[in-house]
Formats: sequence, C-alpha cells, structure tokens
Amino acid sequence: ETGVTQTPRHLVMGMTNKKSLKCEQHLGHNAMYWYKQSAKKPLELMFVYNFKEQTENNSVPSRFSPECPNSSHLFLHLHTLQPEDSALYLCASSRERSSETQYFGPGTRLLVL
Amino acid sequence: ILNVEQSPQSLHVQEGDSTNFTCSFPSSNFYALHWYRWETAKSPEALFVMTLNGDEKKKGRISATLNTKEGYSYLYIKGSQPEDSATYLCAFQSPDSWGKLQFGAGTQVVVTP
Repeated sequence: ETGVTQTPRHLVMGMTNKKSLKCEQHLGHNAMYWYKQSAKKPLELMFVYNFKEQTENNSVPSRFSPECPNSSHLFLHLHTLQPEDSALYLCASSRERSSETQYFGPGTRLLVL
Repeated sequence: ILNVEQSPQSLHVQEGDSTNFTCSFPSSNFYALHWYRWETAKSPEALFVMTLNGDEKKKGRISATLNTKEGYSYLYIKGSQPEDSATYLCAFQSPDSWGKLQFGAGTQVVVTP
C-alpha cells in the first residue's frame, strides 16, 4: 500500500460520455500528479498540482480537465474522449515539488469505445 | 524532449542468478534519477532517489549505482527470486523540472523458478 488510492480501477466509456477519475492520498503531501501510460509507451506526465494550484499542463487536450479541491484529492474529468485516449491513468503525490519521491496509486484502466 | 533509455526491454532470469540492467539519461542538467519497481496490477513502488555522482544505494538484494558524468545508472538484483519479477522504471529529473519526471519505458524482469 502506497497511501494513494484511485477509483474506479477500470472504466469503459463511450465517446460522448462524461466521467471522472478520483485520486486520494493519505500521506499529507502537498503535490499531486496525473500520469498517462499508453500501450508500449513510457509514463507521461499530464498535470501537476502544488498546494491545490495547477503548476503544469503538459499540452494535454481540453477534453481532460483536472480538479484539485484540496491537497488530498485530485480528479480528472473526462469529456468526449477518443478511442486513442484508452490508457492507464496513474495518480501520484509527493511531499513537495522537488526531488522528493513520488508515491503512485494503482491506476485506472480506461477504455474508450 | 529528453531521452531516457532503458535496456534491455525485457530479460528472463533463473531463480538464484544475479542480473543488472541500464538506464541512460542526458548527462547535462542533472538533478535526480529515480528508480521504481512496478508489479502487474499494483502501484509503482519507489526504490531509490539518486542525486550524487558515484552514489550507490541498496535495498535488500537490490542496489543501484549512478554516473552523472556519462549519464547512466545500473540497477542490480542479487540472487533473483520469483517475487523480483516486475517492470523496473527509471525517471530523470532536471533542476528546473519542479517535480516533472521523464520516465524510461522500463525493463521487464521475469524470474523463473
């Protein structure tokens, strides 16, 4: 157990659906991250939040909309996704944005039909 | 885009044998190198954060070395056990990245009894 939980673990959605991924960390960390792993590709950073403020958007399409209501929770709202968005979405947290270790959740496996 | 390369992509090891594999990264603008172990359907687990040239870190039967001048890190597994089967990821961090990790594609290790 890393102290970072993600729900749901699996999600199937149509291209016109709206869904949300949830991440919660119980570590008292101040930075949270969304990563994407597509098949056969390295983990790719999507968003960074530090003290609830978004500090990094790695050129992510607007159909992905993050939300960080407090330092313990991070959401990724999904709207009108494409089949190529099917991937594993991982959340991570760290004490601060520095060389601190990032602690990962188990991920949400997303399939867009 | 920074190139973080891991080799080999996969390897099979007999139980009891030792093995090692490589992560190469840009030798300039170095801040930290992270190693993670990722078992299927679980969260990536942090192994090491390495920051100093010549650094050597150890966790049980797993150890890692760092050469920032030539841009590589080795991960060693001594006396491999079936529970060591996982994908091992390295991630490069530059000084101005502020928590942004650049991951390699990983080395998948399969230990057979």
